[in-house]
Amino acid sequence: DAKTTQPTSMDCAEGRAANLPCNHSTISGNEYVYWYRQIHSQGPQYIIHGLKNNETNEMASLIITEDRKSSTLILPHATLRDTAVYYCIVRVAYNQGGKLIFGQGTELSVKP
Amino acid sequence: ETGVTQTPRHLVMGMTNKKSLKCEQHLGHNAMYWYKQSAKKPLELMFVYNFKEQTENNSVPSRFSPECPNSSHLFLHLHTLQPEHSALYLCASSLSGENLFFGPGTRLTVL
Repeated sequence: DAKTTQPTSMDCAEGRAANLPCNHSTISGNEYVYWYRQIHSQGPQYIIHGLKNNETNEMASLIITEDRKSSTLILPHATLRDTAVYYCIVRVAYNQGGKLIFGQGTELSVKP
Repeated sequence: ETGVTQTPRHLVMGMTNKKSLKCEQHLGHNAMYWYKQSAKKPLELMFVYNFKEQTENNSVPSRFSPECPNSSHLFLHLHTLQPEHSALYLCASSLSGENLFFGPGTRLTVL
């Protein structure tokens, strides 16, 4: 599975959009971009995933560049409860045996 | 609530003790996982089970012994651990490896 690079930490003001970048320049054509988050001392929580098109759900939006070498997770209106470590993971499709391998992630602090 | 429960939530054990962690999923999934998260480190995949069969052992020492009696239950049996094995042990389940749903974890302290 391709490696990803994320900033170690970011701050965001409450109510503003949080834009979390991820670099995956060695991504292969059959690899998806997944985002999970982990609130302190809890289990990770699935947020969103995509292959090449932008995706949106009730939690967030995922913007993938046309060359697929980077992506951005957008939390449109960050709240204090969004403070967590956010993991960007690149993996082959599950039905091809892709495993979920976590890196260090980005520690997002949402401040009042 | 993710549909994955883990017990106990906290466990303290001595280096000569034997203990077990339990995980149960109520989602109808067929795959279950054990991850370990040590302080300030990324999650490490330990074991994967598909339809009760172990399909992945990530070079985990035998003092950690998993058991998967059915697709809904997963255990991690622990013996002769050291203080450096203190960590958050996370269980997860999925439908054939798609999105993983994690439990709240068991915080293990080895004295």
